[in-house]
Order: sequence, then structure tokens, then C-alpha cells
Amino acid sequence: EAEVAQSPRYKITEKSQAVAFWCDPISGHATLYWYRQILGQGPELLVQFQDESVVDDSQLPKDRFSAERLKGVDSTLKIQPAELGDSAMYLCASSSYSGAYNEQFFGPGTRLTVL
Amino acid sequence: DQQVKQNSPSLSVQEGRISILNCDYTNSMFDYFLWYKKYPAEGPTFLISISSIKDKNEDGRFTVFLNKSAKHLSLHIVPSQPGDSAVYFCAAAGGTSYGKLTFGQGTILTVHP
Repeated sequence: EAEVAQSPRYKITEKSQAVAFWCDPISGHATLYWYRQILGQGPELLVQFQDESVVDDSQLPKDRFSAERLKGVDSTLKIQPAELGDSAMYLCASSSYSGAYNEQFFGPGTRLTVL
Repeated sequence: DQQVKQNSPSLSVQEGRISILNCDYTNSMFDYFLWYKKYPAEGPTFLISISSIKDKNEDGRFTVFLNKSAKHLSLHIVPSQPGDSAVYFCAAAGGTSYGKLTFGQGTILTVHP
């Protein structure tokens, strides 16, 4: 069964350091999403790609976060410098259609702890 | 401004009984709603969805009801099983959001044997 792959699964870093997360969506899925889930809350969209283009990054803290999907397949989310408040689960999802009626498939997530 | 709200942080149910999870939304542009289930250390898994042109959708033990006038939806699980114990998120999409999902805070369901 096709799955969304993410790595690493867990990351511990000190504040002011740089961290990067990787996501490989389900093959053929043109739309890729990065979400952040803080404990006790629902996932919140950070950035959405359609192929290699960003279609929504309105909630991405652009002073420290960056995301890319250079060839329209896998994607990297970077934080530099990391802050204590960035501790959260970072989820990647993909879907085959970017319209309103879409089912998004989620990866297992990366648990980030900033000390 | 939280556009999708799940006001019950937790729900405890006996095995075999019905579980009812509730969700309210405020954005009238939302026209598609989904429920996801999440186990610890895993990503959310799609469960069931409903379009605003319907008021009910059923899939096995899971039924979602939509009340557009009240901006309310609910997920019914009958009968509940211990393996259903997880966090349940409702999510909404629509308007010009290009497929963006807005999630509620989640409800922890515990089904006791």
C-alpha cells in the first residue's frame, strides 16, 4: 500500500540551531502539504505545493521557515534558527487533487523537540 | 479565530455502545467535511467524509451527519470497539482554499472493554 514517507521520525535540537525535515509523497500525487500540530491542537497548514509551486504559505513564518519541492516530488521543510515554541509534530500529507474535495494522506510525522 | 471547533476534549464509551463525536464550524464557505483518526506516534488516517449537498454519509460502523443550518456535524460509531480508541479530528474545506483543510482540536475517544 502506498504511503507518505517522512524522516527523521524524531529530532531533538537546541534553540538557534537549524533543522530540516524530509517528505516523500505518494507516487503521482501532485499536491503536497506541510502541517504543524502542537500538542492538544489540530494540525495547522504551514505550506501547500501544487507540483513545484507554492499555492498557500500564508501561515508559514517566513523569517525562519522555508520549504521547497524542487522537482515536484519530494519536499524539504527547514527551520533556521529553531525556537522553543517550534516544538511540535510536523506532518506531511499528499493528495491527487488540489480542489476542495480531496482526501489527504498523511505521513507518520516528525516529532521536533527544541531545548 | 477558530473556524472548526470540537468542544469535547475527551469521550469515554463502553464497548458495543454508540460513540458520538461532535464538531461545529463557523465559516459558511466550507462545503466539504472530513473525519480523521489518529493513533499515538502515527499520522492522521482518513475515516469518512461528507459533501454539503448531503446530510448523511455511512460507511460500515461509521456515519457522519451534517446539519448545515446549525453548522454542525457529528460522527457516530456503532458499535464501538476498543480498537476505535484514538484521537478523532474533524476537518473542513471549501471556498477558495485550494484544498486546504482546517482542523478542529480533536477529541480523545476511549472505548472500554
